[in-house]
Amino acid sequence: AQKITQTQPGMFVQEKEAVTLDCTYDTSDPSYGLFWYKQPSSGEMIFLIYQGSYDQQNATEGRYSLNFQKARKSANLVISASQLGDSAMYFCAMRGFYTGGFKTIFGAGTRLFVKA
Amino acid sequence: DTEVTQTPKHLVMGMTNKKSLKCEQHMGHRAMYWYKQKAKKPPELMFVYSYEKLSINESVPSRFSPECPNSSLLNLHLHALQPEDSALYLCASSQDDHWNYEQYFGPGTRLTVT
Repeated sequence: AQKITQTQPGMFVQEKEAVTLDCTYDTSDPSYGLFWYKQPSSGEMIFLIYQGSYDQQNATEGRYSLNFQKARKSANLVISASQLGDSAMYFCAMRGFYTGGFKTIFGAGTRLFVKA
Repeated sequence: DTEVTQTPKHLVMGMTNKKSLKCEQHMGHRAMYWYKQKAKKPPELMFVYSYEKLSINESVPSRFSPECPNSSLLNLHLHALQPEDSALYLCASSQDDHWNYEQYFGPGTRLTVT
């Protein structure tokens, strides 16, 4: 069975500092993609970053980077230079070959609070 | 343009009402999804349409009826809902159903059933 685990229900970070949100996953899929989404209080889920299981390099998108350690089955999100607008819920998610790509498995989420 | 639009933003309906939620995307995506999200929980998949055909129904009660009139539109028809159906309903789309494509979500419809 596929599973995503986010062990940090809530995180605080000072503005302009970096923060790491943890994500571990479990799958028997030979091919899979890992995603991070941000959900502000308004409700919209915003796609942040993607890492494919065969990608050799860690993904980066602006201030977001994904620390992918395949052997440890972890895909942590690093946000550099936090901004007040980064305060939101963050979901780690996975889609895999055996689920046909239809199903996205979400973690429970981590709520990030950025302090001024 | 990576926009998925949803209407209405808010909906209050009685248990005997019939209403519809609408979702639209113009990115040429061929997979579209309905999710239900309760407060402080991750989204739960309800339905998936791939190339305008229903591919997945996650054992959703028949009081929810999806419809995909064309590749850009997705509707969710609601009838005889229960108070526990109150939630945020999110629509999403992706290029197709391949596992390496990200999903783009709409802003959601906040549904309250009275």
